[in-house]
Amino acid sequence: DGGITQSPKYLFRKEGQNVTLSCEQNLNHDAMYWYRQDPGQGLRLIYYSQIVNDFQKGDIAEGYSVSREKKESFPLTVTSAQKNPTAFYLCASSPGGGQPQHFGDGTRLSIL
Amino acid sequence: RKEVEQDPGPFNVPEGATVAFNCTYSNSASQSFFWYRQDCRKEPKLLMSVYSSGNEDGRFTAQLNRASQYISLLIRDSKLSDSATYLCVVNMGRETSYGKLTFGQGTILTVHP
Repeated sequence: DGGITQSPKYLFRKEGQNVTLSCEQNLNHDAMYWYRQDPGQGLRLIYYSQIVNDFQKGDIAEGYSVSREKKESFPLTVTSAQKNPTAFYLCASSPGGGQPQHFGDGTRLSIL
Repeated sequence: RKEVEQDPGPFNVPEGATVAFNCTYSNSASQSFFWYRQDCRKEPKLLMSVYSSGNEDGRFTAQLNRASQYISLLIRDSKLSDSATYLCVVNMGRETSYGKLTFGQGTILTVHP
């Protein structure tokens, strides 16, 4: 079945550690996105990518990094510079052109 | 003013009730509009797109008022399974080629027996 796969489902980070969240899609979508959701709040855009080897900062990119070496994959690294990383991280993809986005089932990141 | 604003609720309604949510957006150039549904601790899922002429999908009706810059979602004959957070989502229009969406904070709906 076509879809978006995020892993792991739960992740714990130690102080000073970088962690990487995986996002893979087999929908052949050009655009991919990373969002952060805090309890009781809406989604905030971290990074997005329109095509392979290109990505742009969203509204809250500080402390995060991404890569887009393959169309199917858009991993997110939460660096030690992100001082408040505890949140629900959601990856999405879309064909672009204003069409709706489809989401993976998310990764919950907590600090140890 | 927030780019996309929703009444956070919560809305508590009995089964069978009709409930309506409104959402306002700030950018008059916005091109596309959606309602998503998010269950507790789950990812958002597309409920329906919102078209200029209004559209209906079973018990759900979406309306768009460009002049007043708001969209609405009407749920008829509410079911227990409709309990969720409903997210108003707007493509703000400036760079539609990549489809950047702006999400409202969501409206919580609880349907009780």
